[in-house]
Amino acid sequence: QQQVKQSPQSLIVQKGGISIINCAYENTAFDYFPWYQQFPGKGPALLIAIRPDVSEKKEGRFTISFNKSAKQFSLHIMDSQPGDSATYFCAASSMNRDDKIIFGKGTRLHILP
Amino acid sequence: GAVVSQHPSRVICKSGTSVKIECRSLDFQATTMFWYRQFPKQSLMLMATSNEGSKATYEQGVEKDKFLINHASLTLSTLTVTSAHPEDSSFYICSARGVGGQETQYFGPGTRLLVL
Repeated sequence: QQQVKQSPQSLIVQKGGISIINCAYENTAFDYFPWYQQFPGKGPALLIAIRPDVSEKKEGRFTISFNKSAKQFSLHIMDSQPGDSATYFCAASSMNRDDKIIFGKGTRLHILP
Repeated sequence: GAVVSQHPSRVICKSGTSVKIECRSLDFQATTMFWYRQFPKQSLMLMATSNEGSKATYEQGVEKDKFLINHASLTLSTLTVTSAHPEDSSFYICSARGVGGQETQYFGPGTRLLVL
């Protein structure tokens, strides 16, 4: 049973546009939601993370929106640039440090120059 | 901060040989390290979780005798692929979670294994 559903699978956005990736989770015990960015042949890098006590977190061009009641969260990339082209993974975990982090299946983002 | 390194970055070996991959947390102590496997264009598949000084916990379907994990210190974990076969060829990535209630995992750069 997949606990974190991510969409879309792939996304093409014009340079300067807004890229939006959505995730939904099932386990209400999750209370930490990171996003990772992965370039080909590299390991994932933590991009931004949010806890459920806030509805939005912004870091530069990257914003996470969180809807606790709907159990959904999304990543918005403003003014998307060709260098943002990568695979993005949403994830979820709980404060119980024995719990594993659960990843979505990833979104391959391509920004057209 | 929060840098995780892996060595080697790429390894080619013959079928039947064993390969060791090292994962180090460079600027923090990692009480827990994770080993993942990633196939092309797919998500990360957790193989095992290791806590410093104790035996690793393997995910269902992962052969513990084939994928030996050692977490001897707070900064080093190793994954040994024993008697490697071509189907073991993959991208192996480790991650580390620090002490002090940090739930964030920091990932290494990955190791590309090719078994001929």
